[in-house]
Amino acid sequence: EAGVAQSPRYKIIEKRQSVAFWCNPISGHATLYWYQQILGQGPKLLIQFQNNGVVDDSQLPKDRFSAERLKGVDSTLKIQPAKLEDSAVYLCASSLARDSLWVGELFFGEGSRLTVL
Amino acid sequence: GENVEQHPSTLSVQEGDSAVIKCTYSDSASNYFPWYKQELGKRPQLIIDIRSNVGEKKDQRIAVTLNKTAKHFSLHITETQPEDSAVYFCAASLRDMRFGAGTRLTVKP
Repeated sequence: EAGVAQSPRYKIIEKRQSVAFWCNPISGHATLYWYQQILGQGPKLLIQFQNNGVVDDSQLPKDRFSAERLKGVDSTLKIQPAKLEDSAVYLCASSLARDSLWVGELFFGEGSRLTVL
Repeated sequence: GENVEQHPSTLSVQEGDSAVIKCTYSDSASNYFPWYKQELGKRPQLIIDIRSNVGEKKDQRIAVTLNKTAKHFSLHITETQPEDSAVYFCAASLRDMRFGAGTRLTVKP
């Protein structure tokens, strides 16, 4: 079974530039998560989708970050304009959970490492 | 939203000793508590989980205990081995999944 796919694996940009990350979850997984993991810290939830609806985006800096999950499958996370403090690994995860009241194992992708100079 | 605190941030043990990592959570409605292991440069992977209707769960050398009244849960690793060295994250969930800050475990041979 294919795992969660993410791209690009690495990205270096100047501050104020824009960047986009792509995620393809495990086939059949209804729930998709984007996490930001700053070096030495735990994953911070940015946004959670169930199918193509948003369950939680309370920690997403909406003035610069946006995310979408068209057709309930692939997802894109965009940052515009980027700041130095956005340097982190952006992890995408998916789970089978089809009910917002039941959460199961999260399967993570390899992550996209962003460096903002 | 849920807030998860994890202690200690670093833990060093001798091979063969036990290691205990503790977490507290804020939302009494949370009902799912997984533990993830993350090796350097790799993705987090689930090692054990527990649901709120269970007080303890064990899988070989790993066990998790849950105290719903106190809103805390713990990871216990017995007979530690060098390959257990990694960062461990706890998490708590009702509708979403919030992680603790992580514990860097070092097992000295």
